[in-house]
Amino acid sequence: KAGVTQTPRYLIKTRGQQVTLSCSPISGHRSVSWYQQTPGQGLQFLFEYFSETQRNKGNFPGRFSGRQFSNSRSEMNVSTLELGDSALYLCASSPEDRIQFFGPGTRLTVL
Amino acid sequence: EDQVTQSPEALRLQEGESSSLNCSYTVSGLRGLFWYRQDPGKGPEFLFTLYSAGEEKEKERLKATLTKKESFLHITAPKPEDSATYLCAVQAVGSQGNLIFGKGTKLSVKP
Repeated sequence: KAGVTQTPRYLIKTRGQQVTLSCSPISGHRSVSWYQQTPGQGLQFLFEYFSETQRNKGNFPGRFSGRQFSNSRSEMNVSTLELGDSALYLCASSPEDRIQFFGPGTRLTVL
Repeated sequence: EDQVTQSPEALRLQEGESSSLNCSYTVSGLRGLFWYRQDPGKGPEFLFTLYSAGEEKEKERLKATLTKKESFLHITAPKPEDSATYLCAVQAVGSQGNLIFGKGTKLSVKP
């Protein structure tokens, strides 16, 4: 099976802009989770979607949002970008809300 | 508050020198404990999942164990290709899709 894919792999934006990241889960996986990874904070949970519904959300401001489509593909959006949003954004998919398999991530740099 | 602490932060070993990585956790109810390996610029790669105290899992030179308060990742006769950051994460009961990660242990194995 193909693994989790994320696009784009690298992104450079300026403060105040918005960005949309995409994630395609492993075929048959219905749960998709998003994480932010920074050197200082490590991996932090953003939100999780299952069958197009957000089931869980981490402690991030409302500028961070996401959605899931009927084919389980997911997108996350960050509006009004800040310098501190520079990070590696990781998507993980799971078949039954247990073991999560991660994609390669999207490296976002905010200038 | 649920949290995960990993030690040491960094570990340097000579090839063949066995050692252990520690993951201490506090969680209201443990649904599962996960070990991942992360190489620079890549997403975490799943290694093991443990569900109950006393459980052990092995894969090549790696062995993971679990008690009620901590988990150990034992590395036997490591090779340079084992160099990576090892991440420990827990999932709490009732917490869909949310893994709480430790900051990781960066392992370097010198030939």
